[in-house]
Amino acid sequence: ETGVTQSPTHLIKTRGQQVTLRCSSQSGHNTVSWYQQALGQGPQFIFQYYREEENGRGNFPPRFSGLQFPNYSSELNVNALELDDSALYLCASSSRGGEYGREYFGPGTRLTVL
Amino acid sequence: AQSVTQLDSHVSVSEGTPVLLRCNYSSSYSPSLFWYVQHPNKGLQLLLKYTSAATLVKGINGFEAEFKKSETSFHLTKPSAHMSDAAEYFCVVIAMTAGNKLTFGGGTRVLVKP
Repeated sequence: ETGVTQSPTHLIKTRGQQVTLRCSSQSGHNTVSWYQQALGQGPQFIFQYYREEENGRGNFPPRFSGLQFPNYSSELNVNALELDDSALYLCASSSRGGEYGREYFGPGTRLTVL
Repeated sequence: AQSVTQLDSHVSVSEGTPVLLRCNYSSSYSPSLFWYVQHPNKGLQLLLKYTSAATLVKGINGFEAEFKKSETSFHLTKPSAHMSDAAEYFCVVIAMTAGNKLTFGGGTRVLVKP
């Protein structure tokens, strides 16, 4: 088990609504990444935050946005939800300057959009 | 751009027999490669990583992988499967872009028969 926690574990929303997912990083980590894992697929990189600034973004529209707080916890916000946004959302924390490429994943939040 | 292709979406083995999960990568330069495992309702766990040191990499739980540059492969093996190895396995390459994002393969689901 890593020290990364995510809330909530499950969430059901309807199309057009907005959602906020939360992540608490492992102690000592200053970088957080978010991934979307659709059913039967590998995770896809959404974006990464380092010291409260976005530091890299995948191929996701602007309605996916994030925040990182001074305590290195993080939020993923998705506006105008679409059916295809139904997925497992994974948060991963790491330490810039630490073990290269090593990310510690939380258990995820499963989002269902109806 | 870097990518990984997992050649089998499902692998079924009997307990006590060898496991082989195949992964090919594409990269314009020497990559860093990883294997992660995902058990149901649990976060992704790092099995092992290759970062240009020894080409044969040993990981946790008896798994190992061999980096073969000439074949652009990074196959994962285990000599003897255990029931607890039933899970989804992901081959991952790290991209040397801003944020050093992880790029995942599509995954291989392993079924272990008693």
